[in-house]
Amino acid sequence: DAKTTQPPSMDCAEGRAANLPCNHSTISGNEYVYWYRQIHSQGPQYIIHGLKNNETNEMASLIITEDRKSSTLILPHATLRDTAVYYCIVSITGTASKLTFGTGTRLQVTL
Amino acid sequence: GAGVSQSPSNKVTEKGKDVELRCDPISGHTALYWYRQSLGQGLEFLIYFQGNSAPDKSGLPSDRFSAERTGGSVSTLTIQRTQQEDSAVYLCASSPRSSSGRPGELFFGEGSRLTVL
Repeated sequence: DAKTTQPPSMDCAEGRAANLPCNHSTISGNEYVYWYRQIHSQGPQYIIHGLKNNETNEMASLIITEDRKSSTLILPHATLRDTAVYYCIVSITGTASKLTFGTGTRLQVTL
Repeated sequence: GAGVSQSPSNKVTEKGKDVELRCDPISGHTALYWYRQSLGQGLEFLIYFQGNSAPDKSGLPSDRFSAERTGGSVSTLTIQRTQQEDSAVYLCASSPRSSSGRPGELFFGEGSRLTVL
């Protein structure tokens, strides 16, 4: 699986958009980009995933660059409950292969 | 319950003892994963089961670690002769077959916190 690079930490004011970047310059054509988050003392939670096109669901939006070498997870209106570690992962799907988690970005949402 | 269930939630043991950690995946999920997370660290893959296929054991750190999955459902992770460096939260996850739900989505349990004294 391709390696990802994320900033170790970010801050965001409550109510503002949180934009979390991820670099995956060695991603291959059949690898998807996944985002998970882990709130303190809980198991990780799936957020969103995508291949080429931008994706949006009830939790977030995922913007993938045209060359697919980087992506951004957007939480449109961050709340205190969004404070967590966010993991960007690239992996082949459909083969039920394991996901390799890095150290992620610790997002702190503040008042 | 509807989620992944792990037990015990907390386990304190003495160095050299064996421990067993249990995972009940979501009913019908064919894939089951074990990860561990040391304090302040990311998740470390341990082992992966998919249906009746041979498990992917590539993440097991030593031969003291083993896991089995009986009847394609419940899984037990066994650590023999525990060491202090084994202290971590052990997380189990399951996922449905790739043709259903959101492919690649893992559903995690709350974890079993192991402390080796």
